[in-house]
Amino acid sequence: RKEVEQDPGPFNVPEGATVAFNCTYSNSASQSFFWYRQDCRKEPKLLMSVYSSGNEDGRFTAQLNRASQYISLLIRDSKLSDSATYLCVVNRDDKIIFGKGTRLHILP
Amino acid sequence: ETGVTQTPRHLVMGMTNKKSLKCEQHLGHNAMYWYKQSAKKPLELMFVYSLEERVENNSVPSRFSPECPNSSHLFLHLHTLQPEDSALYLCASSQVQALYGYTFGSGTRLTVV
Repeated sequence: RKEVEQDPGPFNVPEGATVAFNCTYSNSASQSFFWYRQDCRKEPKLLMSVYSSGNEDGRFTAQLNRASQYISLLIRDSKLSDSATYLCVVNRDDKIIFGKGTRLHILP
Repeated sequence: ETGVTQTPRHLVMGMTNKKSLKCEQHLGHNAMYWYKQSAKKPLELMFVYSLEERVENNSVPSRFSPECPNSSHLFLHLHTLQPEDSALYLCASSQVQALYGYTFGSGTRLTVV
């Protein structure tokens, strides 16, 4: 089993819709969690950290479920500019482990 | 300057050339990383430097040689590369425990001809 797993997608979602994707991690000792966004041919950029209590940043909500070992990202009122690959990132023992990413296409 | 800066942005080199990629960070971080991202593939960790010491080498061929002269600078020396080494090479930095995630540079897009 891969340490960090994501559905590669693509998720094709109409503009204005809500979309959510999950990421599962295998090591219960994982300490911190992040969502990164990567646009085509660009570097990954930190979208948000994921806290145990869940956190929200505008249209984006991230949640962590330690019991089931997954994190989620919810995007409300999706915009065309949200089209990107979303990378799940887990920190374990000072090692950062990237998922392979979920591709999201927002359709006009 | 702030953030993580990589130069050059683009590089085309022949298989017999020697070139170097440079990364510089002005974030006060003390760990730096090289990643490779080939087309439509996930990020592959190549090297990790923590407090200027190499702490990880992910079975990278010896034609890639990293150098970390201080906590703000990281180099990747390239020699006798192969066409399959063409990729986006990304530098990142963080605090040692990376509890707050990484900051990436814009990358060097390398083409080996």
